[in-house]
Amino acid sequence: DVKVTQSSRYLVKRTGEKVFLECVQDMDHENMFWYRQDPGLGLRLIYFSYDVKMKEKGDIPEGYSVSREKKERFSLILESASTNQTSMYLCASSPADRGLTYEQYFGPGTRLTVT
Amino acid sequence: EDQVTQSPEALRLQEGESSSLNCSYTVSGLRGLFWYRQDPGKGPEFLFTLYSAGEEKEKERLKATLTKKESFLHITAPKPEDSATYLCAAPFGNEKLTFGTGTRLTIIP
Repeated sequence: DVKVTQSSRYLVKRTGEKVFLECVQDMDHENMFWYRQDPGLGLRLIYFSYDVKMKEKGDIPEGYSVSREKKERFSLILESASTNQTSMYLCASSPADRGLTYEQYFGPGTRLTVT
Repeated sequence: EDQVTQSPEALRLQEGESSSLNCSYTVSGLRGLFWYRQDPGKGPEFLFTLYSAGEEKEKERLKATLTKKESFLHITAPKPEDSATYLCAAPFGNEKLTFGTGTRLTIIP
């Protein structure tokens, strides 16, 4: 079974704080992703990584950064949290593209509230 | 513009009442159409991948089909435990999936 875990289910932070969200996968997947999910907007891609130390911007990278020092771990960083970053954050992983795009496997999500 | 659109937004069915959810997409050279189930407060759970028009996949009471412009998720004789939000997604660009906003399905006992 593919297992993607996220460091926290619920997190409450204050405006201006630096926030770290951690994601670990145990299936040796090359690709890892960070999304946020908001009512009416669906899942939106923040950043993804296709290899260690590699990262690509998604559709909404502003206000976020990422780090991938090891293959199994992908971190999302909010440098200075703001109230509009209150959301559900979802991490996912998938095997590398071999001519096709493969399904992504998601973690349970982190519900972040910024006050 | 590449898009994934799901309909209806919400659907309420009586237990045992079969129906279909729709996912239409506008992307050339489709490299997969993905269906997920999401329960409240949880991450999406992968259901199916379809790669070519005419392909069908089944799992219990669910069957996914694919044409050149849309995919359907057919639910046969649903049970209350099938209640969830169903998401479809298609890849636009290398490795990235674009998700629809989902259909919230409620099965009434």
